[in-house]
Amino acid sequence: RKEVEQDPGPFNVPEGATVAFNCTYSNSASQSFFWYRQDCRKEPKLLMSVYSSGNEDGRFTAQLNRASQYISLLIRDSKLSDSATYLCVVNMRGYNKLIFGAGTRLAVHP
Amino acid sequence: GAGVSQSPRYKVAKRGQDVALRCDPISGHVSLFWYQQALGQGPEFLTYFQNEAQLDKSGLPSDRFFAERPEGSVSTLKIQRTQQEDSAVYLCASSPLDFGRGGEQFFGPGTRLTVL
Repeated sequence: RKEVEQDPGPFNVPEGATVAFNCTYSNSASQSFFWYRQDCRKEPKLLMSVYSSGNEDGRFTAQLNRASQYISLLIRDSKLSDSATYLCVVNMRGYNKLIFGAGTRLAVHP
Repeated sequence: GAGVSQSPRYKVAKRGQDVALRCDPISGHVSLFWYQQALGQGPEFLTYFQNEAQLDKSGLPSDRFFAERPEGSVSTLKIQRTQQEDSAVYLCASSPLDFGRGGEQFFGPGTRLTVL
């Protein structure tokens, strides 16, 4: 079983739609959680950190459920520029390395 | 300011050749990481440096893979006797934080290695 699992998609949505991505992680020692965005043939870039209380950044909302070892990302009012792969990422206590899911691909169409 | 840079951006090698991939991290960043990203997958950890010390090399897939960061800045990932399964994008990342504190990592554009 992979340490971080995501639905690979693709999610094909029209502009303006709301879309949600889910992710589960297997190691309860995970302490930090992130969503990274990766455009085609580009490097991953941090989209947002995920906090236990949930956090929002504009149209993006991230949630963490430690009991269920589950992380989510909600994108409201999708834009064409949101088309990318969204990587769920965890970091374990005492380690600096990031553990990535395989990514969920989003395609927003006009 | 300047981000993480990597060279070459593309490398084609014949099976059995040795290759060297270079990473220039953001100036002053303590931590440096190498990841391998296969097509359709997320990046997978290879190795981690804190300054010049290689503190974790648990992700290196075989003894053909070797990394160094002799002066605590530029790093080189070397792959000896390349195999077709080594074909992937090799990503370098740096972070201003030290061991165990996690946090954002800043990635370079990667080197796309194709082994024929």
